Amino acid sequence: DQQVKQNSPSLSVQEGRISILNCDYTNSMFDYFLWYKKYPAEGPTFLISISSIKDKNEDGRFTVFLNKSAKHLSLHIVPSQPGDSAVYFCAASERNNAGNMLTFGGGTRLMVKP
Amino acid sequence: EAQVTQNPRYLITVTGKKLTVTCSQNMNHEYMSWYRQDPGLGLRQIYYSMNVEVTDKGDVPEGYKVSRKEKRNFPLILESPSPNQTSLYFCASSLGVLGSYEQYFGPGTRLTVT
Repeated sequence: DQQVKQNSPSLSVQEGRISILNCDYTNSMFDYFLWYKKYPAEGPTFLISISSIKDKNEDGRFTVFLNKSAKHLSLHIVPSQPGDSAVYFCAASERNNAGNMLTFGGGTRLMVKP
Repeated sequence: EAQVTQNPRYLITVTGKKLTVTCSQNMNHEYMSWYRQDPGLGLRQIYYSMNVEVTDKGDVPEGYKVSRKEKRNFPLILESPSPNQTSLYFCASSLGVLGSYEQYFGPGTRLTVT
C-alpha cells in the first residue's frame, strides 16, 4: 500500500492564479517532506521542503503547508506561470533515516495555461 | 558542474539479454540510489548504497543487482531483463548526512524490454 499519495493525477490552472497540489501520507514516522518538480526528459529537481516541527515553509512563489494531525501537506504556487507546467512529486522521509530513503507519491501533472 | 549522469539514456532490448545502466556523480556524495518511475506509482526505490561496498534493497529489488566499488559510480544490472522491467529509471545521490534529505537525480534512462 502506498504510504504517500497524491490523489489528483492532473491539475489545470490559469496563468496568474494559485495552484494547490495536495499530498497525503499514512506513516506517522515521517518527519521530513519534500516536493520535487519534473520536466519531460529530465530527472526530478528539488523544489522545497519542510520539517515536521514546522507547519509552513515559504520560498518565493512556493509555499508548503504541513498538517500533521491530518497527515496532509500541500504545495501552493502563487502566481502560477506557464513555466511551472511539470509533474510534481511529494516525498517523505522518516526520523533518524541515515540512509536518506525517500518515499514518493505518484505525482500530479500541473498545466498552467497562458 | 555538479551532476549525476546516466548511460544510456534510451535502451531497447530483448528478454533475457543482460544489461547494465551506469550512474556516476561528481559531488563526492556518500549515498546513491536507483528508482524506477511507472505511471501512477511515482518513483519507487530499487536499491540504495550508503557508501562504498555497502548496498541494500529498496522497495522493488527483484530482478536487479547493484554494486558500489567506487564512491562515484553505482551501476544497475539486469541479469535477465523481462518486459515488466520496462520503465523509466533514475539514479540519485545525496550527502548521506543525517538530516540532509535532498537527493540529486540523473536525467533518466528509458528502458524497453520486448
